[in-house]
Amino acid sequence: DQQVKQNSPSLSVQEGRISILNCDYTNSMFDYFLWYKKYPAEGPTFLISISSIKDKNEDGRFTVFLNKSAKHLSLHIVPSQPGDSAVYFCAASAGAGSYQLTFGKGTKLSVIP
Amino acid sequence: DTGVSQNPRHKITKRGQNVTFRCDPISEHNRLYWYRQTLGQGPEFLTYFQNEAQLEKSRLLSDRFSAERPKGSFSTLEIQRTEQGDSAMYLCASRGVANTGELFFGEGSRLTVL
Repeated sequence: DQQVKQNSPSLSVQEGRISILNCDYTNSMFDYFLWYKKYPAEGPTFLISISSIKDKNEDGRFTVFLNKSAKHLSLHIVPSQPGDSAVYFCAASAGAGSYQLTFGKGTKLSVIP
Repeated sequence: DTGVSQNPRHKITKRGQNVTFRCDPISEHNRLYWYRQTLGQGPEFLTYFQNEAQLEKSRLLSDRFSAERPKGSFSTLEIQRTEQGDSAMYLCASRGVANTGELFFGEGSRLTVL
């Protein structure tokens, strides 16, 4: 039972355009959401996060949007750069306790020069 | 480098052998996590330590798996009687006391069971 779903296994975008990666979740207890980026043969690297009390968080070229009623979040990358090519994982945490993260299966982003 | 360190980075073993992985977290981090990642999947939670106490274990952690963090610093993950289905990337992560939710991951230890 996938509690965090990334329904697009891959996405190709032209350099300079916007990349939009989507994520859906089913567990209403999730209250903290994160995006991680992973290059081959490396561990995941934290990118950006958002608390459930917000609906938007921005960090440079990266913006995460949260729609709690739809249990949906998205990551926008503007403008996309070739170095952004990686696998992006959406993750969620249920707050108090171990703060363990539940991950989606990932979306492979390819930014074409 | 003061990031999370894991070794060995790669391990190839024959079915039935035992393997052990080590994780050295970021020094001031008291919370340590083990995850497993297989091809085409996201990382899956295995177990969690706060200091030396193992507080949570996933049902994925069968009896053949054991994790320790004896002094609340480094951790080991041992897999006994390995099976081909154990082939995966084993990721260690740590976080500090501040509850920001962000985990810092190591580069992982890739296990191949022949």
